[in-house]
Amino acid sequence: DQQVKQNSPSLSVQEGRISILNCDYTNSMFDYFLWYKKYPAEGPTFLISISSIKDKNEDGRFTVFLNKSAKHLSLHIVPSQPGDSAVYFCAASGMGGGSNYKLTFGKGTLLTVNP
Amino acid sequence: NAGVTQTPKFQVLKTGQSMTLQCAQDMNHEYMSWYRQDPGMGLRLIHYSVGAGITDQGEVPNGYNVSRSTTEDFPLRLLSAAPSQTSVYFCASRISSSGNTIYFGEGSWLTVV
Repeated sequence: DQQVKQNSPSLSVQEGRISILNCDYTNSMFDYFLWYKKYPAEGPTFLISISSIKDKNEDGRFTVFLNKSAKHLSLHIVPSQPGDSAVYFCAASGMGGGSNYKLTFGKGTLLTVNP
Repeated sequence: NAGVTQTPKFQVLKTGQSMTLQCAQDMNHEYMSWYRQDPGMGLRLIHYSVGAGITDQGEVPNGYNVSRSTTEDFPLRLLSAAPSQTSVYFCASRISSSGNTIYFGEGSWLTVV
């Protein structure tokens, strides 16, 4: 059973517009969430994260929103740029012990920003 | 600072052969792990280690072996390669006390024929 779900395999937006990538999770023990960005032939790179004690975290053009009651988080990119075109992975980890070391990833969403 | 270094970048194996994917990090990170990425499957954890001498299984450990004799190195061994192990493999590391952000290597592309 998939604990972290990214239901949109792909998303296409125009340059300058907002990109919204969504992620849902099922495990109530998850308390830390991260977004990774991956270009072809490269390893994933950390983008932004949020703890469950917050509902929003912002870093430049990137904002992550967390709705704990809905077990949903989203990544907003404003304004979108062609260089943002990549696969975006949502990841989550839980509290304490060994589970704190393990990230569970979604399947990823391919974002294409058109000039 | 090289970060997380994986070798080889590309490898073709025949079914039944064995090989080792190397991973080294120079950041003195305690936690290291191996993931595989397959189309439509995201990243799945194979094995991980929370420190030298300590390893544990992840989500998809079968057919793989690991050891952690030093803090820096975390090799992944394929004991008898199968076509189902054709994948892209990523090594990752982080300091256990600094939150959950992990840093990935550039990946190793493995094809088993």
